[in-house]
Amino acid sequence: DADVTQTPRNRITKTGKRIMLECSQTKGHDRMYWYRQDPGLGLRLIYYSFDVKDINKGEISDGYSVSRQAQAKFSLSLESAIPNQTALYFCATSDLAGGGTGELFFGEGSRLTVL
Amino acid sequence: GNSVTQMEGPVTLSEEAFLTINCTYTATGYPSLFWYVQYPGEGLQLLLKATKADDKGSNKGFEATYRKETTSFHLEKGSVQVSDSAVYFCALGRGSTLGRLYFGRGTQLTVWP
Repeated sequence: DADVTQTPRNRITKTGKRIMLECSQTKGHDRMYWYRQDPGLGLRLIYYSFDVKDINKGEISDGYSVSRQAQAKFSLSLESAIPNQTALYFCATSDLAGGGTGELFFGEGSRLTVL
Repeated sequence: GNSVTQMEGPVTLSEEAFLTINCTYTATGYPSLFWYVQYPGEGLQLLLKATKADDKGSNKGFEATYRKETTSFHLEKGSVQVSDSAVYFCALGRGSTLGRLYFGRGTQLTVWP
């Protein structure tokens, strides 16, 4: 099994619907992240969390919210999806010792299409 | 601010050709630098990293040297294989920003047999 698991892997929805993307990890890392990937734009940070009680906005948090239910679980919600949120979403983790100089471990991605 | 600029793709090479993907960065202080690779249908995985000036990261035949004087971290491989076909991302991380990475836009590499 993958160390960082994302569900669903693919989702097609309609404008205005609420969507939740879930991420769970077995690496025991404290830090978790949600990134969005768009063709030609690289990865952009949506939200990140350094522990269960810590949630921080990234560079493109508008239209998104997150919940850190446990050390191992970090979910991303789109309260009212819009077509320009169509993208590939990645969850990632890192450990405390890694910090800003360490390695991120990525899930396999969740492809979201908003019609 | 912190940012990464990498050469635009796509890059198309024949097997056994030499590969260079350019990456330059802007940052205050002394960042760590990374190359990540994304194979088709998969998430990103770390290819190599360097944490201080003049360090050379290497893995799977790929190399990159942290050049502070030119603010660069170019990725090189002497002889590419078809299996190297992927998207490559240069990234920057700083301890003061507590764990987040800044990614370049990615470079698609296709290697033909």
